[in-house]
Amino acid sequence: ELQLGESGGGLVQPGRSLRLSCEASGLNFDHYAMHWVRQAPGKGLEWVSGISSDGRTVAYADSVKGRFTISRDNAINSLSLQMDSLRIEDTAFYYCAKDRIRFLGPNWFDSWGQGTLVAVSS
Amino acid sequence: EIVMTQSPATLSVSPGERATLSCRASQPVFTSLAWYQQRPGQAPRLLIYDSSTRATGIPARFSGSGSGTEFTLTISSLQSEDFAVYYCQQYHNWPPYTFGQGTRLEIK
Repeated sequence: ELQLGESGGGLVQPGRSLRLSCEASGLNFDHYAMHWVRQAPGKGLEWVSGISSDGRTVAYADSVKGRFTISRDNAINSLSLQMDSLRIEDTAFYYCAKDRIRFLGPNWFDSWGQGTLVAVSS
Repeated sequence: EIVMTQSPATLSVSPGERATLSCRASQPVFTSLAWYQQRPGQAPRLLIYDSSTRATGIPARFSGSGSGTEFTLTISSLQSEDFAVYYCQQYHNWPPYTFGQGTRLEIK
């Protein structure tokens, strides 16, 4: 059974950093592009970042470009999101989501983790 | 960036009745549209992709239609577990992939 499990969330002050992880099991992790999607409490979904299966292609939402870095380690079936210079508006549940194919492209997200909460507050 | 607009924001329907949810794109997205269901406290779940193709394990009472800028998700006979929030997402023009603001389907 495919499982995605996020970790690393917590309370952090504005301007500080946090690193999220997503551990995958039950799939050939290196066969699929992966994404981070966030949801502010009580709000809708916002795509944050995506990475191809080999890690060579990445993409970011304008709202996080230059502050967040996505990466993956296929040897340990892990996806990461390094979040620097955090802002109050980055407060959200962060979900990792699996793409349907290897490449970033016109794709949907066919499996999601349960999310981890990041709260940015002074 | 393509803006996705869903209507209505909240829809009240009785169990066993039909629900029709709408999604509009600010530019044509052809059939590059997906629908997700999110139950309270849970992660989103893929229902429909390519506007009308049901994802694996999704019951036949869920159907999608539309192309270009206008899309519809229909749930033919509402079950208790269907009361949730529904999101549309376009993937024709990316990045970014963009979602609608959601429609909350509640019990009437």
